[in-house]
This record gives sequence, structure tokens and C-alpha cells, in this order.
Amino acid sequence: GDSVTQTEGPVTVSESESLIINCTYSATSIAYPNLFWYVRYPGEGLQLLLKVITAGQKGSSRGFEATYNKETTSFHLQKASVQESDSAVYYCALGGHSNNRIFFGDGTQLVVKP
Amino acid sequence: GPKVLQIPSHQIIDMGQMVTLNCDPVSNHLYFYWYKQILGQQMEFLVNFYNGKVMEKSKLFKDQFSVERPDGSYFTLKIQPTALEDSAVYFCASSTTGAGNTLYFGEGSRLIVV
Repeated sequence: GDSVTQTEGPVTVSESESLIINCTYSATSIAYPNLFWYVRYPGEGLQLLLKVITAGQKGSSRGFEATYNKETTSFHLQKASVQESDSAVYYCALGGHSNNRIFFGDGTQLVVKP
Repeated sequence: GPKVLQIPSHQIIDMGQMVTLNCDPVSNHLYFYWYKQILGQQMEFLVNFYNGKVMEKSKLFKDQFSVERPDGSYFTLKIQPTALEDSAVYFCASSTTGAGNTLYFGEGSRLIVV
């Protein structure tokens, strides 16, 4: 089926350290999936961090980057230098071009220590 | 950014009673969604809604569930009657267009069925 697997949290890093949260996907019913990273900051609703709809492309936002790798079916989230304000829960997700259903991973809680 | 509001933020209800969860989507959005997240599990798609009709629903969208959006009012999820396994956080989302478009989520309505 269609599914997303991501790094199990919590992930704890110190401020200014680099970060990678792994995400791999399986898209059996979706020919050309769109890939997303959503984020939920404490006390807020889920919001889109970045989106990539074409294999081989990279998306970036707020210093975060993710590259859509069709060969390895991965969409890892990276940041070179995290800040305390990046502490949140990050969700990798995939969706189709021809339907409105989005499949979410379990979410990875990121804790950034000062 | 655009906000999706959900009312109530949490509710405790006796098994067998009816509950209505309300969602005020982003004003110019046309597509509406409900997702369900049981504690410790993935957020899963329930249903999407456009132009007054259910477009797609998952296996989780039981016969006891219904959705509607009377003109100019909330997009609602009604459960009648409720069961213990309906205890979860329900997230509403909306988007301007359908497939592949960015979803904007509310903060969720936590439902506890006792």
C-alpha cells in the first residue's frame, strides 16, 4: 500500500548542530507522488513546511531542505544549523496528483537544546 | 498565514451519544477534509468534501459518520452514535483546489468517548 516511514522520535540535538530526519515512502497506487514535510509547533496546528512534486527536485524553507529521490524512495529532511525555535513535530507525507488523500508518517519530535 | 479553526478543542462524551465537530475553513477554500489520529498512531485520512458532496472516504469513515457544510457555515463531522474507538483527535483541513494542493490544518478536536 501507500505509506511513509520516518525517523522515530524524539530526536534531541543542540542548537547550531546539523539535523537529518529520514523519510522513506512506498507509493504503490500513486504513480507520481507529491512529497511533503509538515510541521506542528507547540500549541499550533499542522502547517506545510515544504513540498516537492517532481522527482529529483529539492524543496527548501526556513533553512530546511529535502530532495525527492525516486531511486531510493526517500525524502529526508535536513538542516545545517538548527535553532531552539525549530523544536516541533515533523511529519513526512505523500499524496497523489489525482486524489486528495495524503498519507502521513508517524511524526518525529525534534527537541533542540540551547 | 491562513487559519483553520476547530470547535470544540476537546470534548468528553458518553458512548452512544451524538457529537458534532465543527470546522471553520480558510475563507476562499473549496475542498475540505477530516483526518483522525488515535493517540500514538498515525494521522489517517477519513474523508474529503467538495461542492456539497463527499468525494472520497476511507474505511475509517464508518456509517455512523457524516459530513456536511450548509451554505456559509461550518464544515462539520457528526458521529452518531459514538463508540469507544472513536476516541481520537480529529483534524480538519482545507485547500483551494483538490489534488496535490497544500492543505491547511486546524489544531484538532480531541474527542474522548467514555
